[in-house]
Amino acid sequence: EAGVTQSPTHLIKTRGQQATLRCSPISGHTSVYWYQQALGLGLQFLLWYDEGEERNRGNFPPRFSGRQFPNYSSELNVNALELEDSALYLCASSLAPSAYNEQFFGPGTRLTVL
Amino acid sequence: AQSVTQLGSHVSVSEGALVLLRCNYSSSVPPYLFWYVQYPNQGLQLLLKYTSAATLVKGINGFEAEFKKSETSFHLTKPSAHMSDAAEYFCAVSRAGNTPLVFGKGTRLSVIA
Repeated sequence: EAGVTQSPTHLIKTRGQQATLRCSPISGHTSVYWYQQALGLGLQFLLWYDEGEERNRGNFPPRFSGRQFPNYSSELNVNALELEDSALYLCASSLAPSAYNEQFFGPGTRLTVL
Repeated sequence: AQSVTQLGSHVSVSEGALVLLRCNYSSSVPPYLFWYVQYPNQGLQLLLKYTSAATLVKGINGFEAEFKKSETSFHLTKPSAHMSDAAEYFCAVSRAGNTPLVFGKGTRLSVIA
């Protein structure tokens, strides 16, 4: 069974540009979560999508947005990039939303903003 | 609001020694607790989870954790460290109706030969 996949592996952008990160969940999983892992800040929850809808959002500005497609894959968009957006962005998926369902993580996309 | 505190950003043990990684949680309702491991340049892998079925939880790779409500703790242990255990370990909490995980800041485990 294929795991969670993310693309691209690395992404280099300059300040003010837009970045698009992609995630494909495990087959059968309907929930997709996005987390930011920035140096010194640990893992922070960004967004949660389930069945195509945004279910919850972390404490991030509106320039962080995303969507979930009918095949449950997801896209994270970061507009007006700032230097502090440099981080590893992790996507996770799970079965129907439940607090005790394991979230399976992808390898991440490393975003570098110059 | 729920939160997780991991004591010690870096723990170093000798190969064969006991591994003890500390995690304390704060939650207004009974929590679900998780330990994840992250190897260099990889995503997170679940080691074990507590979902109120049993207070002592056994996970993969010989790890286990004990839920202690009175101490609001969920410490991760392994009797004998292997070199391959060197990684970053994250404790996380969630609760019913709010599935996004809240992570601790992580503990980097080094294993010395």
